[in-house]
Amino acid sequence: QSALTQPPSVSGSPGQSVTMSCTGTSNDVGRYSRVSWYQQSPGTAPKVLIYEVTKRPAGVSDRFSGSRSGNTASLTISGLQAEDEADYYCSSYTSDSTLAFGGGTKLTVL
Amino acid sequence: EAQLLESGGGLVQPGGSLRLSCAASGFTFSDFAMTWVRQAPGKGLEWVSTITPGSNTYYADSVKGRFTFSRDNSNSTVSLQMSSLRAEDTAFYYCARSGRSTTTLNWFDPWGQGTLVTVSS
Repeated sequence: QSALTQPPSVSGSPGQSVTMSCTGTSNDVGRYSRVSWYQQSPGTAPKVLIYEVTKRPAGVSDRFSGSRSGNTASLTISGLQAEDEADYYCSSYTSDSTLAFGGGTKLTVL
Repeated sequence: EAQLLESGGGLVQPGGSLRLSCAASGFTFSDFAMTWVRQAPGKGLEWVSTITPGSNTYYADSVKGRFTFSRDNSNSTVSLQMSSLRAEDTAFYYCARSGRSTTTLNWFDPWGQGTLVTVSS
């Protein structure tokens, strides 16, 4: 059971847009629509931002959006705000009937 | 509002056992799959196990044969029985609900606040 690949860190200035990637294989991200993104601030539980590749739960800002191309999913945050500084994790269902998480990306707001 | 509250974490010696529980409220518990996700201090998230409404279970290879996930729909609780514990099982353990009653191994919402398990002599 392999983890999905995420860049360790990304950064951006307030107001800018940032995109972070989540690379899997044709046995997970590339095959199934069960791809999700979570935001985790220090000392708190993860919070879902995006589910089923592009869907946003009620209450999540429309500044967060998800997409996928091939075996890579992406999370884009537009109009970056200081409060967006956190760790971000992707997850995907896999052909082994398991769930894989990415290693996480730390977002720094400059 | 759906809420989850974990309990049972603590310090245990290598090779020992521990039982985590998660009490659910604010939703029809028997309709939803439940999941445990863990996070070693300073590390990323790791899926541990999922149980369906009908008590079918799925496990990560790292815990298969050592952990047992069960549910009690009458009391709206799930439990994770952990045995043959290793140092690498040290982590915060989060209980999470499936985001929708008709799906399993998809997204999780909400999450509990987590309970810390420390495996050390």
